[in-house]
Amino acid sequence: ETVMTQSPATLSVSAGETATLSCRASQSVNSNLAWYQQKPGQAPRLLIHGASTRATGIPARFSGSGSGTEFILTISSLQSEDSAVYYCQHYNNWPPVAFGGGTKVEIK
Amino acid sequence: EVQLVQSGAEVKKPGESLKISCKASGYRFTSNWIGWVRQMPGKGLEWMGTIYPGDSDTRYNPSFRGQVTISADKSITTAYLHWSSLEPSDTAVYYCVRGDYLDVWGEGTTVTVSS
Repeated sequence: ETVMTQSPATLSVSAGETATLSCRASQSVNSNLAWYQQKPGQAPRLLIHGASTRATGIPARFSGSGSGTEFILTISSLQSEDSAVYYCQHYNNWPPVAFGGGTKVEIK
Repeated sequence: EVQLVQSGAEVKKPGESLKISCKASGYRFTSNWIGWVRQMPGKGLEWMGTIYPGDSDTRYNPSFRGQVTISADKSITTAYLHWSSLEPSDTAVYYCVRGDYLDVWGEGTTVTVSS
């Protein structure tokens, strides 16, 4: 079973700055990695799949990178609406799939 | 438009049974896996399992196998999540989702189990 670990648990960043979120897999998941955004009271929304491919309608300031066991979600030019919890998820050799524990992004 | 529309909130007592639903539209239902994700109050996301409606192949997270049953009726493009005997620990929001990377999410069904 592949375990996904996200860091940090909480990230506080000023508006206009860049947020860098980390996701680590306990074994290689190749590029089968997705990122989601969840705002309070809402269902999660797919941001990135294939480690770096933005989903339909996702702004270019969201970017994903990495492969194997180390992945990064970068949110540039942070806006107040980006305040949310972000989850990574692998789907390598699915099913099953596994989520990371999430990173809460707060805007200063 | 691709959509997953879930059934409404439920309040149940321990030991009762429950089946919640997820109506899919806007895509070929029988050619895509559809699954369920649990989110307990204040907690993260947990993948429960998935079904391929084309042949009813069903896969479960080992943590949920035997606790719930996932099914689908392709004649009405609807997936289901069923409990035979609810426990208070089943209190959560349940999302239906499409695919391996979960590109479409339902709005969620809140299930509250309390005596």
